[in-house]
Amino acid sequence: AQKVTQAQTEISVVEKEDVTLDCVYETRDTTYYLFWYKQPPSGELVFLIRRNSFDEQNEISGRYSWNFQKSTSSFNFTITASQVVDSAVYFCALSEPFYNTDKLIFGTGTRLQVFP
Amino acid sequence: NAGVTQTPKFRVLKTGQSMTLLCAQDMNHEYMYWYRQDPGMGLRLIHYSVGEGTTAKGEVPDGYNVSRLKKQNFLLGLESAAPSQTSVYFCAIHDRVGDQPQHFGDGTRLSIL
Repeated sequence: AQKVTQAQTEISVVEKEDVTLDCVYETRDTTYYLFWYKQPPSGELVFLIRRNSFDEQNEISGRYSWNFQKSTSSFNFTITASQVVDSAVYFCALSEPFYNTDKLIFGTGTRLQVFP
Repeated sequence: NAGVTQTPKFRVLKTGQSMTLLCAQDMNHEYMYWYRQDPGMGLRLIHYSVGEGTTAKGEVPDGYNVSRLKKQNFLLGLESAAPSQTSVYFCAIHDRVGDQPQHFGDGTRLSIL
């Protein structure tokens, strides 16, 4: 079965704290993509990263970093030195291109609140 | 979001009324999708299209119909709106050949009374 689990419904931190958002996935295929999207209070969905199943290298982009571990089926997202502007809902998602639709299967999201 | 325009942005309907949501793209992508977002549920796929003239059901298709008569437009219809269809609707486009991630519109907030 395909499934994405974001067990953390809501996280609150104080500015400059580091925070990790967890994502665990289930897939029926060996070839798949994992994504993170950000949804700020204004409501739009902002693409952050896509990682394919054959690339387990961690990625860093500024204050953002992602840790992909196939052994635990996890794709966790860490924000270093969080800022108020990071306050948003973050979604992890999965797609399986073999089945030729590339539809996204989303987790239920984690609401991050960063307080000054 | 550049490239994907959803119309309207907000709408209030009464139960039983019908309406059509329009998703228009100017990026010439083959794949288009309609998702709905409900509190605590994430986004769920309603219908999708892999090319002009084709449509297929997603995870939650009941109560909706779609059409893709032109490549650039993907229409989502509610024939008889129900309060359970109160949601935020997102359209997405995808360039499979160019191997790009899905690109979302800004959403349509729909309330059904």
